[in-house]
Amino acid sequence: GAVVSQHPSRVICKSGTSVKIECRSLDFQATTMFWYRQFPKQSLMLMATSNEGSKATYEQGVEKDKFLINHASLTLSTLTVTSAHPEDSSFYICSAMTGGTDTQYFGPGTRLTVL
Amino acid sequence: AQSVTQLGSHVSVSEGALVLLRCNYSSSVPPYLFWYVQYPNQGLQLLLKYTTGATLVKGINGFEAEFKKSETSFHLTKPSAHMSDAAEYFCAVSDNYKLSFGAGTTVTVRA
Repeated sequence: GAVVSQHPSRVICKSGTSVKIECRSLDFQATTMFWYRQFPKQSLMLMATSNEGSKATYEQGVEKDKFLINHASLTLSTLTVTSAHPEDSSFYICSAMTGGTDTQYFGPGTRLTVL
Repeated sequence: AQSVTQLGSHVSVSEGALVLLRCNYSSSVPPYLFWYVQYPNQGLQLLLKYTTGATLVKGINGFEAEFKKSETSFHLTKPSAHMSDAAEYFCAVSDNYKLSFGAGTTVTVRA
């Protein structure tokens, strides 16, 4: 149980284009989903928290107009990197949590490379 | 604000030897503490967690951790390392459900 998937697992795009990453909870309803960014050999940095049906809460320093987050259902959240640039290249990981629990379950990550 | 410090960015152990990964936390409230493992190019897998109750927590794959409030520590141990334990390990503390991660410790296992 508690499986979270991400799609795609790897994406390469040209500078200036937008990329959408999906995060799905496969066997539970996720009232809250989190998006993290991880640079090589570094820890995870929380980008934003999203609750189903409401606007995401972004961490300080994260551009909400660049990283669009939608949590339209209890099993799906999407992260759209708009007008991507090479510095946006990173490993993006989502996690999901169901109400009343304290444990986040992580997806396998998406490797974004912007050329 | 809560924070976590992992002592030692890299630990190398022989197969069959004790694995000890150190984690110290800072928290203004009773902490919820977690250990996660990450294999290359993958997401994080929960090893174990402490919320309340018993201070010695047992997790998956033979790992355990002990919450010591007086030392503000939550060190992770495994009595006998296996080659499959080679990975990146992250300690994390929860603040209103948000996780703050340590910098991570890379474990290599020598045959």
